[in-house]
Amino acid sequence: EIVLTQSPGTLSLSPGERATLSCRASQSVSSSYLAWYQQKPGQAPRLLIYGASTRATAIPDRFSGSGSGSDFTLTISRLEPEDFAVYYCQQYDSSPRTFGQGTKVEI
Amino acid sequence: QVQLVESGGGLVKPGGSLRLSCAASGFTFRDYYMSWIRQAPGKGLEWVSHLSFSGNTVSHADSVKGRFTISRDNAKNSLYLQMNSLRAEDTAVYYCARRHLSHDYWGQGTLVTVSS
Repeated sequence: EIVLTQSPGTLSLSPGERATLSCRASQSVSSSYLAWYQQKPGQAPRLLIYGASTRATAIPDRFSGSGSGSDFTLTISRLEPEDFAVYYCQQYDSSPRTFGQGTKVEI
Repeated sequence: QVQLVESGGGLVKPGGSLRLSCAASGFTFRDYYMSWIRQAPGKGLEWVSHLSFSGNTVSHADSVKGRFTISRDNAKNSLYLQMNSLRAEDTAVYYCARRHLSHDYWGQGTLVTVSS
């Protein structure tokens, strides 16, 4: 089973600042089968990024993903008020399709 | 537009059973793998099960293997999760999700509470 470790656990920032979230895998994730989700309180997760760096439909370009192998990053270039949420990474390279424990981006 | 609507959650005693349903619309249901993913209160996401287009290929997390069964009815555009021998640690919001580009669409979830 691939274990995903996200850091930091909590990121305290202000609107307009840049957010950098990390996701490290216990073994290489082939073909960059790594996704990022955003979840707000009381809502279902929303797919932001798939294939490590491709934005999903209707996702603003301030969200970007990068990385390969075992190290992946989600960057939010300029935080908007609606971006304060919990972010999860997930690998879909092998079963079980594991998630990271999440990073909370708070004001 | 793609819609996934879960139902069937509720309060059940330890050892009891529950069947969750997910009604899909807005896409050709039979063309996609589907998944169940859960989230315990205040916790992260945990993949539970997925199955193939026709339902011939299924996979379950070790934590539910032998107790939960995923199935689908393509004629009814519906996904199911039969949950038996429920435990307190199964308490969670259960989401159904379309398995494409990881998981591109999710329902709003249904809450399952296992408590005496």
